[in-house]
Amino acid sequence: ETGVTQSPTHLIKTRGQQVTLRCSSQSGHNTVSWYQQALGQGPQFIFQYYREEENGRGNFPPRFSGLQFPNYSSELNVNALELDDSALYLCASSLPFYEQYFGPGTRLTVT
Amino acid sequence: AQSVTQLDSQVPVFEEAPVELRCNYSSSVSVYLFWYVQYPNQGLQLLLKYLSGSTLVKGINGFEAEFNKSQTSFHLRKPSVHISDTAEYFCAVSASGGSYIPTFGRGTSLIVHP
Repeated sequence: ETGVTQSPTHLIKTRGQQVTLRCSSQSGHNTVSWYQQALGQGPQFIFQYYREEENGRGNFPPRFSGLQFPNYSSELNVNALELDDSALYLCASSLPFYEQYFGPGTRLTVT
Repeated sequence: AQSVTQLDSQVPVFEEAPVELRCNYSSSVSVYLFWYVQYPNQGLQLLLKYLSGSTLVKGINGFEAEFNKSQTSFHLRKPSVHISDTAEYFCAVSASGGSYIPTFGRGTSLIVHP
């Protein structure tokens, strides 16, 4: 059974640019959630996708957007990057109303 | 809405000593409670969870936690720690019967010294 995978592992972008992060969910899971973990903080919920539809959103601006594909993999897109967007971005997959399994994360640095 | 307070940002302890990591939560509804561990440069791994039933929950790697509704606490304990337990530990809460989207605390860094 393959776990949750994320790509890339690390990424460096310049302020104002756009970035796309990718997540492959664990086999059999149809729900994907994204979290932002700033240095020294706990993960903050960005949004969740269930069967290709957004199913909940945290307190993040619209420049954070996402997609879920028919194979349940997912993308997180961030437009107009700001310095404060520097963080570890975590993806978690699950079945609905079941515990989440986390990937290793993508470390984004905005300069 | 739910919130979590992890009372200690850092807990140093010697190998083979017992440890307790403290967690208090706030919620107006019934909750599910979780503890996750994060090793350096890795994602989060679920240690244990409380959904219902027995208030003493046993998890992986010899950890256990006790749900105390009156004190709104869910402290994590291990009777004897190893060097390999050095990591960041996160307590999390979600509304029971909801979407299982946890709200995390800020984390406690457990540092085990030889």
